[in-house]
Amino acid sequence: AQKVTQAQTEISVVEKEDVTLDCVYETRDTTYYLFWYKQPPSGELVFLIRRNSFDEQNEISGRYSWNFQKSTSSFNFTITASQVVDSAVYFCALSGQGGGADGLTFGKGTHLIIQP
Amino acid sequence: DGGITQSPKYLFRKEGQNVTLSCEQNLNHDAMYWYRQDPGQGLRLIYYSQIVNDFQKGDIAEGYSVSREKKESFPLTVTSAQKNPTAFYLCASRHYSLNTEAFFGQGTRLTVV
Repeated sequence: AQKVTQAQTEISVVEKEDVTLDCVYETRDTTYYLFWYKQPPSGELVFLIRRNSFDEQNEISGRYSWNFQKSTSSFNFTITASQVVDSAVYFCALSGQGGGADGLTFGKGTHLIIQP
Repeated sequence: DGGITQSPKYLFRKEGQNVTLSCEQNLNHDAMYWYRQDPGQGLRLIYYSQIVNDFQKGDIAEGYSVSREKKESFPLTVTSAQKNPTAFYLCASRHYSLNTEAFFGQGTRLTVV
């Protein structure tokens, strides 16, 4: 069975601080995919990144960066110089090698609050 | 524009009543999914479908039913057997064979009155 753990239920920081959201996963598949989504107050999930298990390169997109470490089964997300607009619930998700037909397994989410 | 449309945005249900949530996509995705979101619980899979006329139960299928008569449409019925239906429901679609990301609709908030 697959499992995604986001241990941080809520994080509150002051604007311009850097913040890291943790994600730890469990799977028996050798090929799998990891995702991060953002859920603003409007409710719709917004896709941020997809990473496959064979690509351990870290990725940077503007103020966002992701650190994938297979050795620790972690896929952490860092926001640099946070802004109030970053306030949202962030979900980490996992899809196995079965083609993902059974959907994505989500963590319980981390509520990020950026205070002005 | 391509995307997923859920309707209605808000829905109120009386005790003992069945209600149907609509989900339509024009992304030509083969797989479609229904998730339920409760505060602090993340997203839990209700049902999914890989192809037309076929669907599978997810982790919390009891009290729900679906159909997939068209590739574009995957409606969810919340039946009177669902004892605690008040929640936020999200529909998603993706290319399952390519293991791409899922695209989500804007959600339906269902409240029992």
